[in-house]
Amino acid sequence: GQQVMQIPQYQHVQEGEDFTTYCNSSTTLSNIQWYKQRPGGHPVFLIQLVKSGEVKKQKRLTFQFGEAKKNSSLHITATQTTDVGTYFCAVRGSGAGSYQLTFGKGTKLSVIP
Amino acid sequence: NAGVTQTPKFQVLKTGQSMTLQCAQDMNHNSMYWYRQDPGMGLRLIYYSASEGTTDKGEVPNGYNVSRLNKREFSLRLESAAPSQTSVYFCASSLRFYEQYFGPGTRLTVT
Repeated sequence: GQQVMQIPQYQHVQEGEDFTTYCNSSTTLSNIQWYKQRPGGHPVFLIQLVKSGEVKKQKRLTFQFGEAKKNSSLHITATQTTDVGTYFCAVRGSGAGSYQLTFGKGTKLSVIP
Repeated sequence: NAGVTQTPKFQVLKTGQSMTLQCAQDMNHNSMYWYRQDPGMGLRLIYYSASEGTTDKGEVPNGYNVSRLNKREFSLRLESAAPSQTSVYFCASSLRFYEQYFGPGTRLTVT
């Protein structure tokens, strides 16, 4: 199935600093989804990117899909303590596996107030 | 509108015991999924049901069985629990290929 590498595994930032997590694949992706999981909680869908070079914004969060559709990033501007959690990218299989989402291992964000 | 519900929230089993994790969704979604989450491993798909009446294996199906009871309910059964099955289990549902909605999870410990 699809494989996706997510980096970094952990990130500690001072409140107010920016944060970026990256998701990389060796194969071309049809689309990519991003999820956030708060400590002790469950994953919550943030966004789906479909088009090459797509950029979407949600308040302080900026999501990008690479031109070659092999990588994606999530950037948070001026982090707040409410941003704490683990951010996952997820990619969909193709053909018979298209119902399956493969998740990256996640980037755990800690924000120091 | 409760979304995706899971029972129980916590469970402790002894090695060899069996149990069924229950999941229900009230969003009229076609597809349902079971994942396990272990530290540093992300979410791994155990089984999924693309639509009522169908089930398929995911990445880590060994030691598990599933039943899609109806459109709302999708259960996960551990026939003979092993310590390696200690994990957090999440059920999710989706409308075909769109975003997945997750339940609150079941924290299972096998001793």
